[in-house]
Amino acid sequence: NAGVTQTPKFQVLKTGQSMTLQCAQDMNHEYMSWYRQDPGMGLRLIHYSVGAGITDQGEVPNGYNVSRSTTEDFPLRLLSAAPSQTSVYFCASSRTSGGTTDTQYFGPGTRLTVL
Amino acid sequence: SQQGEEDPQALSIQEGENATMNCSYKTSINNLQWYRQNSGRGLVHLILIRSNEREKHSGRLRVTLDTSKKSSSLLITASRAADTASYFCATHSGSARQLTFGSGTQLTVLP
Repeated sequence: NAGVTQTPKFQVLKTGQSMTLQCAQDMNHEYMSWYRQDPGMGLRLIHYSVGAGITDQGEVPNGYNVSRSTTEDFPLRLLSAAPSQTSVYFCASSRTSGGTTDTQYFGPGTRLTVL
Repeated sequence: SQQGEEDPQALSIQEGENATMNCSYKTSINNLQWYRQNSGRGLVHLILIRSNEREKHSGRLRVTLDTSKKSSSLLITASRAADTASYFCATHSGSARQLTFGSGTQLTVLP
């Protein structure tokens, strides 16, 4: 299994541009999520999905959209990039959406810079 | 908002010594998890402890949980240079379908 994969690894955008960060998992996990990590901080949840066709907002959803058309894929869209969205973005998945023994598997991250 | 807060923010020790990191949280939890992040990489799950457990071991890792004090500690025994990383606690609470992460402890193990 490849686990959780993310593309691209690095991206530079200009303010106002849009782009999609890709995330895929091959473990048939129900739950997928997107986090952002800023320097010296922990992870903050942007959006999550508990299954195909079901998404919900996390702590910091503004400026981002998600969709979950398949179990495997969970893309994150930046609608109009802003410098405040400069961050490292991590995608994660887990077997179910809240079992007491669930742990999350993380992708390698996408480092995004918005100029 | 961050549920878990790690202490200390940074810790530097010699190889072979033990490293202890603490995590405090605010609301009651279902479970608490510890993750490790090597520089420039994603997070890797280390250990999960449920709210009805008080201590758990995995190799050189020992985690304790005190729900009355809303705190947890992660002990790494006989540390190695390869243990150098950031360590995060994350809590899963109530019916929330998400983990909430703390800000992490940066551990440096000097050879």
